[in-house]
This record gives sequence, structure tokens and C-alpha cells, in this order.
Amino acid sequence: SQTIHQWPATLVQPVGSPLSLECTVEGTSNPNLYWYRQAAGRGLQLLFYSVGIGQISSEVPQNLSASRPQDRQFILSSKKLLLSDSGFYLCAWFMWGFGYTFGSGTRLTVV
Amino acid sequence: DQQVKQNSPSLSVQEGRISILNCDYTNSMFDYFLWYKKYPAEGPTFLISISSIKDKNEDGRFTVFLNKSAKHLSLHIVPSQPGDSAVYFCAARQDSGGSNYKLTFGKGTLLTVNP
Repeated sequence: SQTIHQWPATLVQPVGSPLSLECTVEGTSNPNLYWYRQAAGRGLQLLFYSVGIGQISSEVPQNLSASRPQDRQFILSSKKLLLSDSGFYLCAWFMWGFGYTFGSGTRLTVV
Repeated sequence: DQQVKQNSPSLSVQEGRISILNCDYTNSMFDYFLWYKKYPAEGPTFLISISSIKDKNEDGRFTVFLNKSAKHLSLHIVPSQPGDSAVYFCAARQDSGGSNYKLTFGKGTLLTVNP
């Protein structure tokens, strides 16, 4: 079966510190992968998506970056966190026939 | 510019009654619509979807209605149960002709079903 793992579940980081959130999927190959963010009082905003290894598309200009070093691994990073980076980050994958599945999310609080 | 709008941030209904969650969209290129349910500190889970070629899709207690001329869709839950209490997101897909499958989400509606 297809599963998606996201970690850590919660993270508290000081302003200016780096960030690395990891997402991995199992049971599938060559999925489309996505990073979404839900900020307080807002909906789900698409940040990045990837249709393959090394292929990253950014949806909104921001302080974050994404990488896909392996087929089933998607990483969200920042060199220096801002207060406005706080939010609930969700990884998702899509594959025809299986639909669109979200991970359990990471609650990031920048202090 | 928000292309998918859920104008009601919250909705409260009595157990056993009908819950109606509304969603409006502005992009006429959207061809597929989905509803997701989200509990706190969890990822959204898929609930029900509808293609733009249909006007109704039903799955158990959940029915989604689509009015393309009004660019409006709604999710009906009948009967509502306390376990339905969650945030409901409306999402839409625009067919870009490629293999990508980006979804545009609304801000969500918090449904509270009171026992």
C-alpha cells in the first residue's frame, strides 16, 4: 500500500536558524510530490511541487526552497527562518488511480 | 486573488440535521473539485469529489452538488454526526494538460456538530 511519512511532527525554531523538513513516500514510484502550508487563519497554500527527481517548481516567492534528491523523497528547507514561516506544513503526493494523499503534517513555530 | 472561496469560516449544526458547506470559485478552467476533511494536527483526508461534467455525486451521507453556471459547489452531510466535526476544505483542479495535478484550496470551514 502507498504511505507517506513526514517528520518531525512539531518543531520550534528560533528566527534565523535553518530548516529541513523531510517527506518520503512508500509503495509507489515516480509520484508527483507537493509541499503545502497552512498559516493561521488561512487555507492550504501550495509552495512547491515536483514531477520528478531534481525537478522543482515554486508557486510563490518566499524564504523557502525545496529539493527532490530521490524519487520518493521531498525536502523543504530554509537557510534562515523568519517569523512569518510559522505554520502547518503538509507534504502530499499524487498518482493517477490513487489520488491525492497528504502526510500528517509538521507544525513549525518560529520564535 | 483567491480562486476558491469558502466564505463561511465556521458552521454549527445539531446532530442528526443536515450540514451544508459552500464553496465558490472564479476560475472557469477548473475541471475537478474535491472536498477534504481535516482534524487538528493531522493532514487532510479525501472525502468526495466531482467532475465538472456532473452536477451531483453521492457517497453515503455525503453529497456534493456542482452548479457550473454559478461557479458554486456545496457539500451536504446528512445526517450530521459529532465525529464530522472538523475543518472542511474545498479544492479545485485546473487541467493544465500535463502530468501535474495542482489543487487550489479554499480557506476551509470549521464544522461543529453538537450532540
